[in-house]
Amino acid sequence: DGGITQSPKYLFRKEGQNVTLSCEQNLNHDAMYWYRQDPGQGLRLIYYSQIVNDFQKGDIAEGYSVSREKKESFPLTVTSAQKNPTAFYLCASSPETAFMNTEAFFGQGTRLTVV
Amino acid sequence: AQKITQTQPGMFVQEKEAVTLDCTYDTSDPSYGLFWYKQPSSGEMIFLIYQGSYDQQNATEGRYSLNFQKARKSANLVISASQLGDSAMYFCAMREGSLSRLAFGKGNQVVVIP
Repeated sequence: DGGITQSPKYLFRKEGQNVTLSCEQNLNHDAMYWYRQDPGQGLRLIYYSQIVNDFQKGDIAEGYSVSREKKESFPLTVTSAQKNPTAFYLCASSPETAFMNTEAFFGQGTRLTVV
Repeated sequence: AQKITQTQPGMFVQEKEAVTLDCTYDTSDPSYGLFWYKQPSSGEMIFLIYQGSYDQQNATEGRYSLNFQKARKSANLVISASQLGDSAMYFCAMREGSLSRLAFGKGNQVVVIP
């Protein structure tokens, strides 16, 4: 089955620790995205990548880092510099960014709680 | 500046009735695409329907239809014959021609009651 896999589904970390969220896709998609969702805030873009070894900051990139060494993988690191890391994180991919009508496909999400 | 605006409070809908979810957007790009997603309590995002800025007709997909009013920059989602499984958050999103990213609104909460 093709799709996007995010792991783990739930993650708990102590304040001050870095944590990496995994996102893997086997859809052969070029573009990948990371969104953060807080209650009442909708989805906000953290980082996105249109091609391997290249990525761009989204609207709320501070305190986060990413890498895109392989087409299938786009891990997100939440660093200790992120002031309010507790949130629901969604990874997405899309097949071809040149086409306007290509929807993004989403993973199941990772709920991060920092205590 | 907010690109996508969804301002309705949570809505209760009677089963089998229709419901309209409002979405207004802001862009100066003549080429853009509008998307609606459904997010049930499990958290996954499910794509529902797409409308392109140059499409002449309103998009339809099963029980979902999009009331696209370009001059008003409005793209309202209509769900006909509501079912209990339609209870979820609904998000409107836009992709502008020059960008690959999707910008999302804050969502509309819908609860379908029997």
